[in-house]
Amino acid sequence: QKEVEQDPGPLSVPEGAIVSLNCTYSNSAFQYFMWYRQYSRKGPELLMYTYSSGNKEDGRFTAQVDKSSKYISLFIRDSQPSDSATYLCAMIYNQGGKLIFGQGTELSVKP
Amino acid sequence: DAGVIQSPRHEVTEMGQEVTLRCKPISGHDYLFWYRQTMMRGLELLIYFNNNVPIDDSGMPEDRFSAKMPNASFSTLKIQPSEPRDSAVYFCASSPVSGVQPQHFGDGTRLSIL
Repeated sequence: QKEVEQDPGPLSVPEGAIVSLNCTYSNSAFQYFMWYRQYSRKGPELLMYTYSSGNKEDGRFTAQVDKSSKYISLFIRDSQPSDSATYLCAMIYNQGGKLIFGQGTELSVKP
Repeated sequence: DAGVIQSPRHEVTEMGQEVTLRCKPISGHDYLFWYRQTMMRGLELLIYFNNNVPIDDSGMPEDRFSAKMPNASFSTLKIQPSEPRDSAVYFCASSPVSGVQPQHFGDGTRLSIL
């Protein structure tokens, strides 16, 4: 069993839709949770990160962590065609550790 | 800020050949990471360095893979001999510290072994 599970999609939505991307994990020792966005033929870039349980909002993006369920989510409101990319969740045990990535979910937002 | 620079962007070579991938991290970043990305396995950490010293190479798949960081501005990942199953996109990333600080990725080297 992988430490981090993420549905690879692809996920296709119309412009303006609310998008929900999710990851589950097996190790309760993870403390920091991140979302990276990767455009085609580019390297991943950090979108958001959260520590422990709770919500964090940044513009149209909201990251949510539920440690009791070992489940994290990224919500995108008013999705735009420019949001079309692969979204990877990532998590880490502690500040000095290494990132463990999910498989990535490919998102396509249609005009 | 030039970002992380990787070369070459694409590499096509025949099985058995030596392959060398290169990376120039962002100046001042003490950590350098090498990743491999495939459809089947996603993004996997191969090895990372702190201040030019390898810290964790547990992700290196086999002895055919080796990585060096002779100075703070240059790193190489070498595969010798290469095999078709090594075909993947290889990313280099750097960060000022490990962990929660964002890792800045290069645009990757797309490697195809025939």
